[in-house]
Amino acid sequence: SQQGEEDPQALSIQEGENATMNCSYKTSINNLQWYRQNSGRGLVHLILIRSNEREKHSGRLRVTLDTSKKSSSLLITASRAADTASYFCATREDNFNKFYFGSGTKLNVKP
Amino acid sequence: NAGVMQNPRHLVRRRGQEARLRCSPMKGHSHVYWYRQLPEEGLKFMVYLQKENIIDESGMPKERFSAEFPKEGPSILRIQQVVRGDSAAYFCASSPFRGMGTDTQYFGPGTRLTVL
Repeated sequence: SQQGEEDPQALSIQEGENATMNCSYKTSINNLQWYRQNSGRGLVHLILIRSNEREKHSGRLRVTLDTSKKSSSLLITASRAADTASYFCATREDNFNKFYFGSGTKLNVKP
Repeated sequence: NAGVMQNPRHLVRRRGQEARLRCSPMKGHSHVYWYRQLPEEGLKFMVYLQKENIIDESGMPKERFSAEFPKEGPSILRIQQVVRGDSAAYFCASSPFRGMGTDTQYFGPGTRLTVL
């Protein structure tokens, strides 16, 4: 299956520290996206990186993509308590309609 | 511009009843996706629709589940004769069109279905 898998499953850090989450997938992709989900809420799109891009920044977020290793990482710098949420990567293959979501990394940022 | 709307937010049904979940995409969006999420798990793709067309329903169970996105009105996910295993959060997402780097999805708040 194409499904992305994040690791770690859970991550607990202190406010101000950096948080790194990883995502691995299995086949060729068109793009990879990261989403955040607060408890009991819908998903919020964070950042999209195309298959021909290697790195992308958005505010305190930095995403890398290594298509040779079929992996991506999401780095949140200078974390805040408000960053506490679950983070999911989602991939879509070329010419396919489905998006595949991983099982998520649950991030807890302690104040 | 209102976001993706889903209703109801919470739905309780007894085994054997029908559940109807509604999704109104963002204004100007003609692509709708439905996902199911079990507790502590990621989202599982169910179906992808455009106006009046089912494009990909490969993630949807063959029986009891159906989806539509009529020319007018919201997209509907219908579950007939619900069973306890259908209890989950169902999310709808919309996007304006599909293309390279342009298929960001905007999610609704979800409908939490509980089957007693």
